[in-house]
Amino acid sequence: DAGVIQSPRHEVTEMGQEVTLRCKPISGHDYLFWYRQTMMRGLELLIYFNNNVPIDDSGMPEDRFSAKMPNASFSTLKIQPSEPRDSAVYFCASSFTGEEKLFFGSGTQLSVL
Amino acid sequence: SQELEQSPQSLIVQEGKNLTINCTSSKTLYGLYWYKQKYGEGLIFLMMLQKGGEEKSHEKITAKLDEKKQQSSLHITASQPSHAGIYLCGADKRNAGNMLTFGGGTRLMVKP
Repeated sequence: DAGVIQSPRHEVTEMGQEVTLRCKPISGHDYLFWYRQTMMRGLELLIYFNNNVPIDDSGMPEDRFSAKMPNASFSTLKIQPSEPRDSAVYFCASSFTGEEKLFFGSGTQLSVL
Repeated sequence: SQELEQSPQSLIVQEGKNLTINCTSSKTLYGLYWYKQKYGEGLIFLMMLQKGGEEKSHEKITAKLDEKKQQSSLHITASQPSHAGIYLCGADKRNAGNMLTFGGGTRLMVKP
């Protein structure tokens, strides 16, 4: 298995633009998580899905952030409009019921100028 | 919310030396996870501890969970450059399995 696949690896955009981050979880996994990592705040859980349904989005910072999971093999995290303080590394992770660990993607480095 | 404090925040050691990283929780832990992150990459699972007093080892890395289940330590014996990276502890947020909150991380550098 190729693991959790995130795209793009790097994204540079200007303030006010819409940004869409993509994630393909490992086949067969029923949990999907979006995390954000910054130097100041560390690794923060934004939202997670179970069987494509959002379960907890309490970590989503603002209404500018939205996440979807239209099917078991794809999820997006969208920021509209983006701001410089959104600059961070965004990780997607997946897992399955009964598994004790998360499988992380390589992350998307987002820079908002 | 579950607060996890890691110490030290960063560490530089000479190759061959032993080192310990600590993770302290403000609440009793349902499960404590250790992950390693290489610079510019995602997190890789190391170990998970659940029972008070539990200890697990993998190669030269040993993790322990105290009896009160509020503190964990990660010990590396005879460190090597390949051990360099960021070590993060994570806690099972609601005894819900794998929904984790993480500590701030410890950045480890190993000098050859």
